[in-house]
Amino acid sequence: AQSVTQPDIHITVSEGASLELRCNYSYGATPYLFWYVQSPGQGLQLLLKYFSGDTLVQGIKGFEAEFKRSQSSFNLRKPSVHWSDAAEYFCAVGAGPTGTASKLTFGTGTRLQVTL
Amino acid sequence: DAGVIQSPRHEVTEMGQEVTLRCKPISGHDYLFWYRQTMMRGLELLIYFNNNVPIDDSGMPEDRFSAKMPNASFSTLKIQPSEPRDSAVYFCATRGQNYEQYFGPGTRLTVT
Repeated sequence: AQSVTQPDIHITVSEGASLELRCNYSYGATPYLFWYVQSPGQGLQLLLKYFSGDTLVQGIKGFEAEFKRSQSSFNLRKPSVHWSDAAEYFCAVGAGPTGTASKLTFGTGTRLQVTL
Repeated sequence: DAGVIQSPRHEVTEMGQEVTLRCKPISGHDYLFWYRQTMMRGLELLIYFNNNVPIDDSGMPEDRFSAKMPNASFSTLKIQPSEPRDSAVYFCATRGQNYEQYFGPGTRLTVT
């Protein structure tokens, strides 16, 4: 079965500083990988996804993530954080029958706090 | 597009009562997922449908939980009878052919 580990429960960065959120996955085949963001009281919004091809993927709001198969990682990065980026971030791996990525398994999330 | 619509947004009920949560998927999306989010257990997949047919309900915690999708435009998640440990935020998400799941705003359920 697939699993996702987000080792950092809580991260605090200063506005304007760079950000990297860690994600490690376990899955026997080529994974479908996602990053979602959740603001308080809201649903989850997709930031970016990786299915195949270029291992560096760009997403919305200036975020990017790099897939590293050798490290089973899919870390999320942003060069300069804005106060509005404060939220909870979830990494997810997709798997399902015939590789349809139907079921998503989510990590436990990383709460990002941004100081001014 | 209005996105995934869930109702009610908040529900407070007493233990033993029946609770029905509703979801309207994005038009054209053929997958629908029900999730539960709690502080203790995080985000859990309860059940998902493909073309209105339940595919995997292994995440449904107990027989008190049931879900239906009578047509492509509507799904319900029912808890009968409800218990305080069912208190959580319940999300509906839908997916089209591009594997991206779109989440609704959630229903915050409190069972007293």
